[in-house]
Amino acid sequence: NAGVTQTPKFQVLKTGQSMTLQCAQDMNHEYMSWYRQDPGMGLRLIHYSVGAGITDQGEVPNGYNVSRSTTEDFPLRLLSAAPSQTSVYFCASSTTMNTEAFFGQGTRLTVV
Amino acid sequence: KQEVTQIPAALSVPEGENLVLNCSFTDSAIYNLQWFRQDPGKGLTSLLLIQSSQREQTSGRLNASLDKSSGRSTLYIAASQPGDSATYLCAVLAGTALIFGKGTTLSVSS
Repeated sequence: NAGVTQTPKFQVLKTGQSMTLQCAQDMNHEYMSWYRQDPGMGLRLIHYSVGAGITDQGEVPNGYNVSRSTTEDFPLRLLSAAPSQTSVYFCASSTTMNTEAFFGQGTRLTVV
Repeated sequence: KQEVTQIPAALSVPEGENLVLNCSFTDSAIYNLQWFRQDPGKGLTSLLLIQSSQREQTSGRLNASLDKSSGRSTLYIAASQPGDSATYLCAVLAGTALIFGKGTTLSVSS
């Protein structure tokens, strides 16, 4: 079982560049979400989706866009990268919002 | 605003010891509580999920309890092993988001 797959694992961007972090799950989960993990801050929710075509903002959405065209995929787009977006990004999925969450291995992003 | 606190931040024990990790939350209006394990440079691995109507869950050497009224959960690890060394995170589902504590980093020495 692949579970939740994130690509790339590592990325270095220059300030102002854009990029897309990919997330795919093969468990037919309806609920998917993106978190960022920063030292001393813990994990914080960026965006989430309760199903294909439905997305909403989390605690720290500024500078990020998402879309959910299929059940399997939930990409996170950085519109114009800033050093403050240097972080480790995790994608998670669950059957519904109230069930066990499964996380990907993370993408370590550095913005210089 | 929901806040989740984990104490202690770090813990070192010898192999074989039984230990308890603590998690507290400020608002009892939660849907569930989940314990995760995170190894350095890796993702989060789900250990146990306790729904708000439940009091405890067990998986192998792990037992997690939930007391909503007091805003507390504990993760009990029996007969600890060096392979248990990791950071343990608890998270509560409040509204639409998992709210995470900052974790307890456990080191088990052989």
